[in-house]
Amino acid sequence: DIQMTQSPSSLSASVGDRVTITCQASQDISNYLNWYQQKPGKAPKLLIYDASNLETGVPSRFSGSGSGTDFTFTISSLQPEDIATYYCQQHDDLSYSFGQGTKLEIK
Amino acid sequence: EMQLVESGGGLVQPGRSLRLSCAASGFTFDAYAMHWVRQAPGKGLEWVSGISWNRGSIGYADSVKGRFTISRDNAKNSLYLQMNSLRAEDTALYYCAKEEGSHDAFDIWGQGTMVIVSS
Repeated sequence: DIQMTQSPSSLSASVGDRVTITCQASQDISNYLNWYQQKPGKAPKLLIYDASNLETGVPSRFSGSGSGTDFTFTISSLQPEDIATYYCQQHDDLSYSFGQGTKLEIK
Repeated sequence: EMQLVESGGGLVQPGRSLRLSCAASGFTFDAYAMHWVRQAPGKGLEWVSGISWNRGSIGYADSVKGRFTISRDNAKNSLYLQMNSLRAEDTALYYCAKEEGSHDAFDIWGQGTMVIVSS
């Protein structure tokens, strides 16, 4: 099974900061990597699919990059409403796995 | 509006069974793969199982393989998860999720149904 290592596990930043989260796959997954946002008490929300494609309606301050085993998720200018936990997810055939999550807090 | 509504959760003793349901509306259910994802209290997301639109492909996480069975009834726009031999570690909020057609991401999620396995 493919393992996803996401870092950091938590992150504190100020409004307006550039925030970066990384996700590493245990083997080559091409660009089959998605990013989700989960706010407390809510279901996850898809932000980025296939490593770098912004889901419809998602603000352009969110972006993703990478391929193979190393991926990056970036918020270009952190907003108060971005406080949430972020997860990467890989998909390989009909097997999926999530990273451990990154809890983002406002400093 | 595309919507998924889970039901069937509750308190169950270890070793017993439970069947979860997910009712879909607002989209052509039989055109999409569907999944179950769970989240233990205070923990991260764990993919549990997925099924293709025509039931031709089915997958399970190792943690539930042999105990859980996913199924769907396209005529009823419904997804199911039969959970047998339940363990304490199966305690979680279980989400139903729709897989987007052109890329394998989960674009629609329900609000979840809670399963508590305890004596």
